[in-house]
Amino acid sequence: QVQLQESGPGLVKPSQTLSLTCTVSGGSISNGLYSWSWIRQPAGKGLEWIGRIYTSGSTYYNPSLKSRVTTSVDTSKNQFSLKLSSVTAADTAVYYCARVSRNWGNAFDIWGQGTVVTVSS
Amino acid sequence: QSVLTQPPSASGTPGQRVTISCSGSSSNIGSNTVNWYQQLPGTAPKLLIYNYNQRPSGVPDRFSGSRSGTSASLAISGLQSEDEADYYCAAWDDSLNGRVFGGGTKLTVL
Repeated sequence: QVQLQESGPGLVKPSQTLSLTCTVSGGSISNGLYSWSWIRQPAGKGLEWIGRIYTSGSTYYNPSLKSRVTTSVDTSKNQFSLKLSSVTAADTAVYYCARVSRNWGNAFDIWGQGTVVTVSS
Repeated sequence: QSVLTQPPSASGTPGQRVTISCSGSSSNIGSNTVNWYQQLPGTAPKLLIYNYNQRPSGVPDRFSGSRSGTSASLAISGLQSEDEADYYCAAWDDSLNGRVFGGGTKLTVL
């Protein structure tokens, strides 16, 4: 079955750019029934949607993060990526990638296990 | 402050029926589908309900969802100890042009 796996540095310095990649296995990222999202969760807090990308390249971002977020898709590697610039301690969180199912009301039907990113000097 | 409002906590005893509410507005719950997620301690969230009241395969029929106007609810019947988790509602918001989550409800099985 389809699985998602996040990867990237666990420690990022303030003002630098956080970069994460999500590798999709067990299925093609180019399947038009799905788009791909990033979601984060600070320790002990709730979920925050970061953004969504289609393999066509279309994107939607959380308005509160839009100025700092970039997402991309690499269909040859079956991966999609997140870049968050000018990070501060407030960006410390568990970052999840997730598949968005068009047939299921754009629900996040499959999630990665999450990766912890700490912003600290 | 979350766009969708959930009670921070809920509780029940084994076998009871518990309901978790999710309050929104005409730009989210009132016009778009609602999904519910279950997050067990230390794990990634899992899709529980989609399109207001549909369950992915493998989700017990003890879990059900509903919507009325700009509010949605998740009901859990026959409460079990393994249901102890955080529950989140989510919907698309047309005004924000983005996905919004509720703040989450921590369910305790007494």
